[in-house]
Amino acid sequence: GENVEQHPSTLSVQEGDSAVIKCTYSDSASNYFPWYKQELGKRPQLIIDIRSNVGEKKDQRIAVTLNKTAKHFSLHITETQPEDSAVYFCAASRPRGGSYIPTFGRGTSLIVHP
Amino acid sequence: EAQVTQNPRYLITVTGKKLTVTCSQNMNHEYMSWYRQDPGLGLRQIYYSMNVEVTDKGDVPEGYKVSRKEKRNFPLILESPSPNQTSLYFCASSTQGTGELFFGEGSRLTVL
Repeated sequence: GENVEQHPSTLSVQEGDSAVIKCTYSDSASNYFPWYKQELGKRPQLIIDIRSNVGEKKDQRIAVTLNKTAKHFSLHITETQPEDSAVYFCAASRPRGGSYIPTFGRGTSLIVHP
Repeated sequence: EAQVTQNPRYLITVTGKKLTVTCSQNMNHEYMSWYRQDPGLGLRQIYYSMNVEVTDKGDVPEGYKVSRKEKRNFPLILESPSPNQTSLYFCASSTQGTGELFFGEGSRLTVL
């Protein structure tokens, strides 16, 4: 089955710095890669995603890159703010019957110090 | 309002006492799934369902059962709970073709 490795497990930055979280996957059938943000005590929510026919996607301060050949993808957050503090999960999803079956990484706890 | 609703949100029970965690979505989503979240282990899939009467095991199905008799509901059943099933559980759903998961608020279960 799919295996997703996510690094680092904890990331501490100063407000205004950039943050990068990296994930690798093993199953070449995976073709949808979402990122979820989970604030303390809340449910995970999608913040950005990328499909395998695209190499990069950007949404304001957040960007995701995908290298299909190397089977890795990354989340980039620029100009970090204290409200970016949360746990971030990457996922590699393989298609099946019109749906997508995700495998999640173990999460990265991002701490942004004011 | 589009949502995924789980109940109960909090539960303390004892070993061996059967319990059911309900999950309902009002978005007409085909795909529904259950995850457990444990510190350092991320979100691990327990079971998923691609449509009514279609269920499949995820990565950690042992000790759990599910059913999908209606499109909107996907209950998680613990026939004989054990302390290692103490965890935070999330139900999630998505529509075909998109992949974006909508999560419920979570159910924190403690088995003594």
